[in-house]
Amino acid sequence: AQTVTQSQPEMSVQEAETVTLSCTYDTSENNYYLFWYKQPPSRQMILVIRQEAYKQQNATENRFSVNFQKAAKSFSLKISDSQLGDTAMYFCAFMSYAGNTPLVFGKGTRLSVIA
Amino acid sequence: EAGVAQSPRYKIIEKRQSVAFWCNPISGHATLYWYQQILGQGPKLLIQFQNNGVVDDSQLPKDRFSAERLKGVDSTLKIQPAKLEDSAVYLCASSLDRGPSRGEKLFFGSGTQLSVL
Repeated sequence: AQTVTQSQPEMSVQEAETVTLSCTYDTSENNYYLFWYKQPPSRQMILVIRQEAYKQQNATENRFSVNFQKAAKSFSLKISDSQLGDTAMYFCAFMSYAGNTPLVFGKGTRLSVIA
Repeated sequence: EAGVAQSPRYKIIEKRQSVAFWCNPISGHATLYWYQQILGQGPKLLIQFQNNGVVDDSQLPKDRFSAERLKGVDSTLKIQPAKLEDSAVYLCASSLDRGPSRGEKLFFGSGTQLSVL
């Protein structure tokens, strides 16, 4: 079974600075998808960024980018120019390429952006 | 575009009582998921529907939890009887399809926070 580990329960960053959230995962599969989801106090999970394992290029979405190291099974999220609205729980998640398999989440990292 | 709707937003019950949650997915989304998120943990899948049918309910405690998806649209999740350890946020999510377009985006509702006393 796949597992996702987020080793940083809490992190903080000054507004406008850069922060990196860590995620490692365990799988025997070669093809899969990785995600970062944001959960603000409203509780609604919002997709931040998505990476396909067969793509070598790291995904980027505006201020959000990932460092995907397939051999190391590592998938970190970098947030540049941090904003107060980035304050939230961030969850790393894994999805198998095989059909009809669920999204597996890590335990999350609570990020606080400080003014 | 309307998002995934869930109700109620909060629910407080005593142990051994029953409770039901409702979810209305995004129009046209074939796949619907119920996740349980215990405080301090990531969401865990309880059940996945594709249209009317159950795709995965391997982590659903079937002795007390039940779920149905009416006409492939709305869904209800029921707990009867509730236990203290059922206190959690119950998140509903939907996606367009789980066919060839794998790895597609899940859209989540704001969840129902259940407290069992």
